[in-house]
Amino acid sequence: DAGVIQSPRHEVTEMGQEVTLRCKPISGHDYLFWYRQTMMRGLELLIYFNNNVPIDDSGMPEDRFSAKMPNASFSTLKIQPSEPRDSAVYFCASSLRDLGADTQYFGPGTRLTVL
Amino acid sequence: GQNIDQPTEMTATEGAIVQINCTYQTSGFNGLFWYQQHAGEAPTFLSYNVLDGLEEKGRFSSFLSRSKGYSYLLLKELQMKDSASYLCAPRGGGNKLTFGTGTQLKVEL
Repeated sequence: DAGVIQSPRHEVTEMGQEVTLRCKPISGHDYLFWYRQTMMRGLELLIYFNNNVPIDDSGMPEDRFSAKMPNASFSTLKIQPSEPRDSAVYFCASSLRDLGADTQYFGPGTRLTVL
Repeated sequence: GQNIDQPTEMTATEGAIVQINCTYQTSGFNGLFWYQQHAGEAPTFLSYNVLDGLEEKGRFSSFLSRSKGYSYLLLKELQMKDSASYLCAPRGGGNKLTFGTGTQLKVEL
């Protein structure tokens, strides 16, 4: 299996621009998670989906952030307009709901720099 | 809410044993995960505990006490490649993990 795929791996943009991050979860997984990681705050959950439906978006910082999952194999996280404080590494993770651990598998991340 | 406490940094010698502690307070509890994260890379799964006791997996073991809100990760026969950040993550309601800020482990010769 290819694992969780994220693109782009690096993004540098200017303040005020729209940024779109993309994620392809592991095939067959029914949960998808978006996280943000910074030195100050560590790894924070932004939003997660179950069977393409957003379940909990309480971690989304503000209205500038939005996430969609149009189908089981694709999700986007959009920031519009972007601000320098959005600079972070954004991880996507997926898991399969079963009777065990439901281990989350992380993608390689997108390193976002907003100038 | 959730509160997770683990040491910020630890240093140990190659070949030694190190224990990384984690205390947590969660609203609802459905297991605890440990992840390893090398610099510039994604977190990778190490272990999962849902019942009290010790889970052993090769050089790594993880312990859980639900009544005490306490877990530890034990790394034996340390190798240089074990230098990384170790993240404690209890799972609360739904399928949500809450990650601590991690313990940065440095293994020295």
